[in-house]
Order: sequence, then structure tokens, then C-alpha cells
Amino acid sequence: EIVLTQSPGTLSLSPGERATLSCRASQSVASNYLAWYQQKPGRAPRLLIYGASTRATGIPDRFSGSGSGTDFTLTIRRLEPDDFAVYYCQQYGGSPANTFGLGTKLEMK
Amino acid sequence: VQLQESGPGLVKPSQTLSLTCSVSGWSISSGGHYWSWIRQHPGKGLEWIGYIYYSGSTYYNPSLKSRITISVDRSKNQFSLKLSSVTAADTAVYYCARALVYYSSGYYGYFDSWGQGTLVTVSS
Repeated sequence: EIVLTQSPGTLSLSPGERATLSCRASQSVASNYLAWYQQKPGRAPRLLIYGASTRATGIPDRFSGSGSGTDFTLTIRRLEPDDFAVYYCQQYGGSPANTFGLGTKLEMK
Repeated sequence: VQLQESGPGLVKPSQTLSLTCSVSGWSISSGGHYWSWIRQHPGKGLEWIGYIYYSGSTYYNPSLKSRITISVDRSKNQFSLKLSSVTAADTAVYYCARALVYYSSGYYGYFDSWGQGTLVTVSS
């Protein structure tokens, strides 16, 4: 099974700053089939990025994804108050199951 | 597309958890997407349970496969989850979601629309 390790566990930043979230896979993710989700308390996750770098419908261009193989990054430019949430990566390129990382909590400093 | 989970919020140990997801704004029968169940243990990460295509083809997480049944009712535009022999470890928020699935030595996908989730507690 592909294990995804997200770092840092918690990231404390201020509005206007840039956030860089990391997702490392235990083995190469086929075809860069890597997605990112945002989840706020009591809400369902929301798809941000798929295919490692393609923004989902309606996602502002402040959010960008990059990476390949085993190392992936979600970057959020010019943080807004609404961006503070938990972010999960998910791989869908390897067996035996779709797997998620444990998340990075982005908190307001 | 909107998805809405429904079902009992409390299930006794050893019984079967049953949930239904009602889909609106999109026809399950139109194809192109898979219909999924994902759960989140309290304060924890996300776990994919399985998904179904409108044709009835199913793909399950191997770690849960022996206890899962996912079915589809195209006439009602709904799909359902049954998880048997539940224990306290199955207490979680259960989400239904729509997936775009690709073949890569198996059928794997990402989830572009989610229901709001429903908390199921396993307790006597």
C-alpha cells in the first residue's frame, strides 16, 4: 500500500503569507495521480487539485499543486482567513486502494 | 450535483451498518463517474471504503472487503453501503462522494463532490 506522509503536521501562518504543504509517498505515484482536499471543521472535504497540478472547478489560482513521483507540494499564495483548514493529499495511482495522508492543519498565527 | 447520506446514527456491535446516498442534479445512470463511500474516524484522517459504477461493478478497499456491500438503485438515483459485523472501530463519519476513476493496475480515483457526511456510532 502507498503510504502518504504529510508535513508539517501543523503550520502557523498569517493572512497574506504563503503556505507550502508537503506530501511524500512511500513509492512513486503512477501518472502523478495525486489530489489535494481542504476540510473545515464539521464539513466534508472539498477537492482542490487533481492530477498533482490541475485545479478543480472554482478553485482560485492562489492554490497550486506541483510535484511528481514521490514528492508533491500544495502552495497557497496570499493566505486569506477562509484558507485556514486541514489539507489532505490522496493518491489514486497505486494498489491496493486509494489512500489519504493524515493531513496538515493550517492555523492562523 | 448534490449528495445526501441517510441512515441510522446508532448501530449495535455485531450488527450491520446500512446507509443510503441520494444523488440529485446528476443521473447515476449517465456513466462516467463512480459512486463512493469514504469514512473518517473522529478526529482522524480519511479512509476510502469502496465505490460502484452504474452498471453495478464494485471496487472495495481490501482491508474492509470481507464486510462491505455497495449497491446501486438506478430507479431512485441512489446507492447504498452495508458494513457487517460492526465494532466500535467502525464509529466514524461516513461520506458518500462522486469519483472520477482511472485504471492503473486497478480502478482508483479522486472525489470531486461529497455529501455532508453522517456520524454513525457503534455502541450497545
